[in-house]
Amino acid sequence: GAGVSQSPSNKVTEKGKDVELRCDPISGHTALYWYRQSLGQGLEFLIYFQGNSAPDKSGLPSDRFSAERTGGSVSTLTIQRTQQEDSAVYLCASSLTGLNPGYTFGSGTRLTVV
Amino acid sequence: RKEVEQDPGPFNVPEGATVAFNCTYSNSASQSFFWYRQDCRKEPKLLMSVYSSGNEDGRFTAQLNRASQYISLLIRDSKLSDSATYLCVVNAPYNTDKLIFGTGTRLQVFP
Repeated sequence: GAGVSQSPSNKVTEKGKDVELRCDPISGHTALYWYRQSLGQGLEFLIYFQGNSAPDKSGLPSDRFSAERTGGSVSTLTIQRTQQEDSAVYLCASSLTGLNPGYTFGSGTRLTVV
Repeated sequence: RKEVEQDPGPFNVPEGATVAFNCTYSNSASQSFFWYRQDCRKEPKLLMSVYSSGNEDGRFTAQLNRASQYISLLIRDSKLSDSATYLCVVNAPYNTDKLIFGTGTRLQVFP
């Protein structure tokens, strides 16, 4: 597509429920990244997929968080047993690699855990 | 020490002013440098890459000092529309694809 698409744009969920956030990267971009941004805070790296390589999961805050990328394209970030501290904007980005192009971000999913 | 450090501001400047933001990064192995802009409640967008020799894009000038591990952004003739948060970004050591974001410097341009 023309840009990085994320869905849903907003999600309100009850504490303890599982949520799935979706990211559809720019066609042809081999790298895909998930970050989150809490209110008034900087971007926190979560996970990174590069082609067929094993993902870099070093930023996932707990084992309640997982992500997959199917067919080298669409990615899903899953948060199990959500907690109030999971409330944030979850941003997905994609990029070409090796060309120093910078990221293109989606508009994010605003997650609120009540 | 944070991997990327910025003065959070806010910087409040009048239209037409020149304003400069600075950023320091901790790892000398970083090789890619960027400035991103983030408007309130929006996603970050790439403003410009930063090259060793310094580079300019219209009213914006970026400088890199590898010896001091220091990056700067200069905005000339500030416009109201420049009001945003400016994020300093460097790549993770030995990984050109993974980026580390500073927490940003907020700029408010007033009439």
